[in-house]
Amino acid sequence: SAVISQKPSRDICQRGTSLTIQCQVDSQVTMMFWYRQQPGQSLTLIATANQGSEATYESGFVIDKFPISRPNLTFSTLTVSNMSPEDSSIYLCSVPGAGDYNEQFFGPGTRLTVL
Amino acid sequence: GQNIDQPTEMTATEGAIVQINCTYQTSGFNGLFWYQQHAGEAPTFLSYNVLDGLEEKGRFSSFLSRSKGYSYLLLKELQMKDSASYLCAVMDSNYQLIWGAGTKLIIKP
Repeated sequence: SAVISQKPSRDICQRGTSLTIQCQVDSQVTMMFWYRQQPGQSLTLIATANQGSEATYESGFVIDKFPISRPNLTFSTLTVSNMSPEDSSIYLCSVPGAGDYNEQFFGPGTRLTVL
Repeated sequence: GQNIDQPTEMTATEGAIVQINCTYQTSGFNGLFWYQQHAGEAPTFLSYNVLDGLEEKGRFSSFLSRSKGYSYLLLKELQMKDSASYLCAVMDSNYQLIWGAGTKLIIKP
């Protein structure tokens, strides 16, 4: 299994500002996924970050709002731009496992509160 | 559209057995996953089914019927630490995970 760390673990931000979340993996992976989990709800995929190419965004998510960087095979960032209270959520990065099941391993998450 | 249904919440007693059901309608099927998520923590992988039948892993078992679009997670000898949300997720024909809303399991002594 992969070991994944995220920074920051939590933050409280003002409306209209931006926050960049970092995700570091202890091994090289081709794909990294960014999810949002709003309170009491399940996971929603924001985008897939591939090294060396533009991220692929899911319906309802756009690059201007959630720009992603993927400078190498072990690191990615997600920026939540021009934040509003509706962006308050847990943001999780995940990577596919190297085992037989293609299961995903998740980072500990970043708990974001926007005032 | 793609849809995964699971009960919102279930309650069970310590030492007992509980079955959490999941039904799905997806564009293609490349496997079904169960994850456990404790409050405030990240989801952790529990089980994977791609063929019909039962997969057993210690106190946890997972069953799949592809023809019925149905799976269940069976937890035996429940412990207080099993109190968590259990997420069902299906990998569709594009190898994308479609997630259910999760079932919050409450264990009472």
